[in-house]
Order: sequence, then C-alpha cells, then structure tokens
Amino acid sequence: NAGVTQTPKFQVLKTGQSMTLQCAQDMNHNSMYWYRQDPGMGLRLIYYSASEGTTDKGEVPNGYNVSRLNKREFSLRLESAAPSQTSVYFCAAKILSTDTQYFGPGTRLTVL
Amino acid sequence: TQLLEQSPQFLSIQEGENLTVYCNSSSVFSSLQWYRQEPGEGPVLLVTVVTGGEVKKLKRLTFQFGDARKDSSLHITAAQPGDTGLYLCAGATPVDYKLSFGAGTTVTVRA
Repeated sequence: NAGVTQTPKFQVLKTGQSMTLQCAQDMNHNSMYWYRQDPGMGLRLIYYSASEGTTDKGEVPNGYNVSRLNKREFSLRLESAAPSQTSVYFCAAKILSTDTQYFGPGTRLTVL
Repeated sequence: TQLLEQSPQFLSIQEGENLTVYCNSSSVFSSLQWYRQEPGEGPVLLVTVVTGGEVKKLKRLTFQFGDARKDSSLHITAAQPGDTGLYLCAGATPVDYKLSFGAGTTVTVRA
C-alpha cells in the first residue's frame, strides 16, 4: 500500500516546454488535489477533482490543465512552462466524508 | 493574501524548551488540521480538531481550537531535535472539498 505516488521526483524544463506530472493513489479515495509549494507561501491549490469525472479550478490555475483519468489517477499538465512555475508540486487525496488529505512525496520542478 | 496567518514564521529553540505556534483567521472553519513536513517529503497529518474549544494531546504536542473555530495553536513541551520541521495549519471551510493552508512555521530544535 503505497498511498499517494508521484512521478517524476525531479524535473528540469526549458521555458516553453510541456510536461505532465503524474499522480496515483491506491487508497480508493474520491477526491484528489494538486498544490504548489513556494517558500513563505504554504500550499496553494491549483486544481482539484472532488470525484471521478469532475475537475475544478483552485486558487492558482493559470498555466495548468488537469485530467482525472480514473478514480486512481490525476495528472497535471504544463502546456508551455514558464520560470514562474518553478516550484514543488504535491498531489493529495482524501475520502469524501472527511477533511484529512494524504500527500504524495512531491515533484521538484525547475523551469529555466 | 493567506486565509490563515501563521506565526511566527521561524522558530529556533534549544532542546528541552517549550514552543507555541499560532494559526489565526477571520474565517470560520468546519475543522482545522495541523500537518508536519520534513525536507524532501510531503506534509503528514498530525491532528484534526473539529469542535470549538477542543483540546487534543499527542504525547508532547497539545493542539487547541478556538471557541469561535477561527484560530488554533500548537504547543510543544520539552522540544526534541526530532520535532524539527515545517508545521502547517489548514482550515476546511463548510460545504466545499478544499483546505486553505497557512504559510507554515519552520521549527528548529537545537541539541
């Protein structure tokens, strides 16, 4: 039981390149989230998926797209990376009836 | 603008000392959570408080939820180097599925 897994762990991109961050959970949780973490700013919500088949914008969605592929997987896509998207990205999952979120280990992304 | 304000931002103390971290907001939350994050890892839940005025104890950690459910505090007694980390508070608002996080408090406990 791995919980929430994220790939890749590290990534360096050039400005304008695209990439997809992958997230999978084996806890059968309904809701999944993508956050970015920047120094002094805590975790900011990019997109979330309350349940399979739905996605909604969070606090900082510009420059990102998401896909809830199935109940297990929730991916985050950067179509044209910008240096401002340099950050650590976390995926999280939770059961619908509780507020507790379980986080993956993060993806450290640098955009040059 | 952060919905939840944490203070202090940084805290460095000697092993054996006590410390308190505060989490304040003008919004009411249905629950408030405290997470601890170590370098290179994701946040891990420490506790969830739900009822106004609730106090929860986890060994040397004491968590309090304000009566009005707008603020919370984390108190660590006799801190140890293993308590070093980033402490994050997060509030759940009624109705939706989202958490709002504070900016975090970096705690360093020196041996």
